[in-house]
Amino acid sequence: GEDVEQSLFLSVREGDSSVINCTYTDSSSTYLYWYKQEPGAGLQLLTYIFSNMDMKQDQRLTVLLNKKDKHLSLRIADTQTGDSAIYFCAENGYGQNFVFGPGTRLSVLP
Amino acid sequence: DTEVTQTPKHLVMGMTNKKSLKCEQHMGHRAMYWYKQKAKKPPELMFVYSYEKLSINESVPSRFSPECPNSSLLNLHLHALQPEDSALYLCASSLSPMDEQFFGPGTRLTVL
Repeated sequence: GEDVEQSLFLSVREGDSSVINCTYTDSSSTYLYWYKQEPGAGLQLLTYIFSNMDMKQDQRLTVLLNKKDKHLSLRIADTQTGDSAIYFCAENGYGQNFVFGPGTRLSVLP
Repeated sequence: DTEVTQTPKHLVMGMTNKKSLKCEQHMGHRAMYWYKQKAKKPPELMFVYSYEKLSINESVPSRFSPECPNSSLLNLHLHALQPEDSALYLCASSLSPMDEQFFGPGTRLTVL
């Protein structure tokens, strides 16, 4: 079955870049997503990338996809305290449901 | 209107109670989802409605009963729950089952 892995924790200093990594197993994934969840809240869609792309940039966010290695990353430039949250990677393939990774808890230190 | 709303925000119920969670979207999405999320875990899919028909039931106990009265509304009826059912219940919707999902803020459920 599909499996999505992420490191569980990441700490960075305010103003630095954060890089959150994700690996997945399903080669038929069509889209890959990044969601952000703040404490007590629902999931907020941050960005997504189509599987035939290798990079997508949206303001402070850069998504890199290495389809050969099944590796996805999310880079947050100039990380702020408001970026502290849990970040979930998710994949969606044709005829399949979303599969979420375990989430990476990002802590931004002042 | 570009959001998914859920009511109530918080719910405390006893094991013999019957209650319902509600979810609404007015984005014209034709797929709607219920997820259960325990603390420090990713969301777990419970049910998927596609074009108002139940398309996926991920082996959820019968004490959870979903209902999709129309394309904008999704309910989750709860009866005879157990304390281990306490969790954040998230509703999501997407244009079609293949598209990105938009989540509501969730209902925090506590079963005593």
